[in-house]
Amino acid sequence: ILNVEQSPQSLHVQEGDSTNFTCSFPSSNFYALHWYRWETAKSPEALFVMTLNGDEKKKGRISATLNTKEGYSYLYIKGSQPEDSATYLCAFLTGGGNKLTFGTGTQLKVEL
Amino acid sequence: DAGVTQSPTHLIKTRGQQVTLRCSPKSGHDTVSWYQQALGQGPQFIFQYYEEEERQRGNFPDRFSGHQFPNYSSELNVNALLLGDSALYLCASSLAILREQYFGPGTRLTVT
Repeated sequence: ILNVEQSPQSLHVQEGDSTNFTCSFPSSNFYALHWYRWETAKSPEALFVMTLNGDEKKKGRISATLNTKEGYSYLYIKGSQPEDSATYLCAFLTGGGNKLTFGTGTQLKVEL
Repeated sequence: DAGVTQSPTHLIKTRGQQVTLRCSPKSGHDTVSWYQQALGQGPQFIFQYYEEEERQRGNFPDRFSGHQFPNYSSELNVNALLLGDSALYLCASSLAILREQYFGPGTRLTVT
């Protein structure tokens, strides 16, 4: 059974703060790491798909890094805004498989 | 361009009954995956369909079955419903598992 762990479980920050979350996954048999943002009452939305060790991806104020050798990925949000409030999910794909294993997510709330 | 659609939105069933959930993938996508999301958990992979065949399956009993049609739409069937099957069922489509998945709004199933 694969374990994908995310921390923290929840986070409250003030508008303008920068924040980051962690996704830990098995370092063996890695194929890809996905990040999704899931706002309440909406569908999960893909942020990044990362495949190479050392990958860094950026979309606006959100960026992510990947370390496949030690089995972790960080998601950073710079200058948090209330509209960033959502649950952020990471999902791990093993080599040779077609199954994404999701973590339980980090719930972010950005307050004015 | 319509995204992933699912029907119905909500469903209430009684223990022992059978249910069918439906999913239409995003235009141009040929791969459909189904997930179960229970409260407080990340989405759990049920199975994936490609070219009308089940390509990968998660740790779900045989009561969970599916189908993919030539137009790539898909159904999820659950027989002999249990209270524990109450969850949000998400459908996601993609061009390939490596690519980001596009999620539908989900079907909320309540078993009483």
